[in-house]
Amino acid sequence: AQSVTQLGSHVSVSEGALVLLRCNYSSSVPPYLFWYVQYPNQGLQLLLKYTSAATLVKGINGFEAEFKKSETSFHLTKPSAHMSDAAEYFCAVSEEGTALIFGKGTTLSVSS
Amino acid sequence: DTGVSQDPRHKITKRGQNVTFRCDPISEHNRLYWYRQTLGQGPEFLTYFQNEAQLEKSRLLSDRFSAERPKGSFSTLEIQRTEQGDSAMYLCASSTAVGQGYYGYTFGSGTRLTVV
Repeated sequence: AQSVTQLGSHVSVSEGALVLLRCNYSSSVPPYLFWYVQYPNQGLQLLLKYTSAATLVKGINGFEAEFKKSETSFHLTKPSAHMSDAAEYFCAVSEEGTALIFGKGTTLSVSS
Repeated sequence: DTGVSQDPRHKITKRGQNVTFRCDPISEHNRLYWYRQTLGQGPEFLTYFQNEAQLEKSRLLSDRFSAERPKGSFSTLEIQRTEQGDSAMYLCASSTAVGQGYYGYTFGSGTRLTVV
């Protein structure tokens, strides 16, 4: 069965600094991988997705992620953090015909 | 608005009462999912439908929980004899099937249930 591990439940950065949120997955077949963002008391918004096309995936709000099969990783990055990026971020994996499985989330804090 | 709609946004109920939530998916999406999210955790899968067929149920979905999607459009999630442990955000999402332009799920804003 597939699973997701998000390393670090809380990440703090300064405004303008690099954002790196880590995600490792386990899957027996080529997976579909996603990053979602959740703001307080709201649903989840899709940031970006990997569906077996390009390994470097660009998403909304300047975020990108790189699929590395050899490392079973799908880390999320953004070159320069903005105060509005403060939120909860979830990595998720699915295989064909199965539902999305989410990690436990990483809270991103951005200080001025 | 063509997003996923959930109703109500908030529900407070007394322990032992029954509650029902509704989800209206994006009209062209044939798959509909229910998730539960507790504070500080990621969403946990409950069940999903393809059209009107319920294809998978999590072990989290106890006998007190039932979900329907009678005409392959909107869905309802009912919790009978609510318990305090049922307090959570209940999220609905929809998608196309894999191989039909699968681009991930679109989530609704959720229904926050508080059992007192």
